Amino acid sequence: SYVLTQPPSVSVAPGQTARITCGGNNIGSKSVHWYQQKPGQAPVLVVYDDSDRPSGIPERFSGSNSGNTATLTISRVEAGDEADYYCQVWDSSSDHPGVFGGGTKLTVL
Amino acid sequence: QVQLVESGGGVVQPGGSLRLSCAASGFTFSSYGMHWVRQAPGKGLEWVAFIRYDGSNKYYADSVKGRFTISRDNSKNTLYLQMNSLRAEDTAVYYCAKDPGPKAFDYWGQGTLVTVSS
Repeated sequence: SYVLTQPPSVSVAPGQTARITCGGNNIGSKSVHWYQQKPGQAPVLVVYDDSDRPSGIPERFSGSNSGNTATLTISRVEAGDEADYYCQVWDSSSDHPGVFGGGTKLTVL
Repeated sequence: QVQLVESGGGVVQPGGSLRLSCAASGFTFSSYGMHWVRQAPGKGLEWVAFIRYDGSNKYYADSVKGRFTISRDNSKNTLYLQMNSLRAEDTAVYYCAKDPGPKAFDYWGQGTLVTVSS
């Protein structure tokens, strides 16, 4: 089955740029979605289809996807961005197509 | 506004059964695919199951296939997850989520906790 690999943690100072990667075999050929989850809350979709933002998500959140790596970029990081972030794809070639990465804890220093 | 409300969680013994429900409102339920996603305590997200808008196609994670059944009643705007032969490793918060089309999850419920323990 398809595997998505994320770094367990990323740290960044306020105002700087955070980049969270999601690795997968030829992931550039798939649509990647990103979710933010704060403690005790349900996840929130922050980027879909590699680089689109749902309404209400700040422009500071952006995404890219090419080759074997997709990246969520958070510009001008704020304290409120501290959360777990998950990438996700739908592997339509599989019988169990829903796949999440293991998650990345973003710490704002 | 879109609202998804799960119910039916609780404590069940290993080998037991439970049925979760997800009541949907604020959108045309019968037009969208729906998912169940779970999260074990302190762990990451795990996709569990998907059902097409009309119930014609269903997919399951390998870990639950043959034990869990996803279904929906479009007349009641409700999604279900029938869970049989429950194991300790099924202990998790179970979320229902709406699929906007590209097999993503754009709205989530608040989750319902299932604990499998003797």
